[in-house]
Amino acid sequence: GQQVMQIPQYQHVQEGEDFTTYCNSSTTLSNIQWYKQRPGGHPVFLIQLVKSGEVKKQKRLTFQFGEAKKNSSLHITATQTTDVGTYFCAVGGATNKLIFGTGTLLAVQP
Amino acid sequence: NAGVMQNPRHLVRRRGQEARLRCSPMKGHSHVYWYRQLPEEGLKFMVYLQKENIIDESGMPKERFSAEFPKEGPSILRIQQVVRGDSAAYFCASSPSREGTYEQYFGPGTRLTVT
Repeated sequence: GQQVMQIPQYQHVQEGEDFTTYCNSSTTLSNIQWYKQRPGGHPVFLIQLVKSGEVKKQKRLTFQFGEAKKNSSLHITATQTTDVGTYFCAVGGATNKLIFGTGTLLAVQP
Repeated sequence: NAGVMQNPRHLVRRRGQEARLRCSPMKGHSHVYWYRQLPEEGLKFMVYLQKENIIDESGMPKERFSAEFPKEGPSILRIQQVVRGDSAAYFCASSPSREGTYEQYFGPGTRLTVT
């Protein structure tokens, strides 16, 4: 079945530093989504990307879909303690089910 | 507009008992998905349902697990004869039936502990 790999698994940053997580697939993707899960919480939808080379911004978050539609990234500028959590990429499958990446746990030290 | 609702939020069962997890989708959403998250792991798709129909159950274990989404009432994920390995967070998600829209809205989850 389709697999989506994310790196890194864990990232520890000082507040104010930048953070990036990467999502990679061996096959071409029709779409990719990003979710955030706070510790003890549930996944919250952040964004959906569908076009090759697409870049979308939400305040300090920048999402990018690769030209070949096989990878994606999420970049956070000047992290804050509220950014703590696990960031998952997810791919929409043929029947709308989501295939989640392995996730990147972000820890932010004040 | 209420979000996806799940109950109970926490459920403790002894080995061999049955667990019933309920999910009410967001208003106007007709698609329901169930995912399982084992401790310190990612989310794994289990089943996708529309009203009275199972669309995709490719992620459901072959035995002991079943799901339904009746015409009236919430979606139910049922686990019979629970074992310790069933301990996990079970999340329900819903989505509208708009073509090309894949985002899903998750409920708070049910944390199942099997003792």
